[in-house]
Amino acid sequence: AQKVTQAQTEISVVEKEDVTLDCVYETRDTTYYLFWYKQPPSGELVFLIRRNSFDEQNEISGRYSWNFQKSTSSFNFTITASQVVDSAVYFCALSEVGTGNQFYFGTGTSLTVIP
Amino acid sequence: DGGITQSPKYLFRKEGQNVTLSCEQNLNHDAMYWYRQDPGQGLRLIYYSQIVNDFQKGDIAEGYSVSREKKESFPLTVTSAQKNPTAFYLCASSDGTATMNTEAFFGQGTRLTVV
Repeated sequence: AQKVTQAQTEISVVEKEDVTLDCVYETRDTTYYLFWYKQPPSGELVFLIRRNSFDEQNEISGRYSWNFQKSTSSFNFTITASQVVDSAVYFCALSEVGTGNQFYFGTGTSLTVIP
Repeated sequence: DGGITQSPKYLFRKEGQNVTLSCEQNLNHDAMYWYRQDPGQGLRLIYYSQIVNDFQKGDIAEGYSVSREKKESFPLTVTSAQKNPTAFYLCASSDGTATMNTEAFFGQGTRLTVV
């Protein structure tokens, strides 16, 4: 079974629009970590955020914000006032302490911001 | 600068040949990982190592081999038994313990093409 599901394969928005990328995860561990990564065309994955299972506070960093809800097993990512530089593939990932700190990645969401 | 270095960036292999992808890190991380990325399939775990001289198979280990003789190095060999090796390969490391995990840091990737 897929541990991390990113149902949105591709999203296109016009510059300055807000966009939310969905992430749903599945785990039986009580201690786990959730992550978002950005993969620009160059290929290298860029770390955006890490959240542990005991901290459900939402976080805002500039135009980026994350909504973590354990009740729905979701960790959604919102970009406010999108820019062309935000165009990339975004991956959500789960790491379970109980299974040796493996990282489970979703299939990614390809975001295109149209100028 | 601290980080993960993968080499080469591009690699061409003839069918039936083994080839080794290099991954070196100077972050002093215990855990290292190899992922394969194909279009539309996200990142799939090939092998991971939590400590020197120890490694475990991931979801798609068949046709691959690894070694972890030094903390800094985790080379991946793509053998002739791998039926479809053309892909983008990413190496990562993290500073996990038995009770917590940090984010994974990624190299720039190696694009392998079988000719």
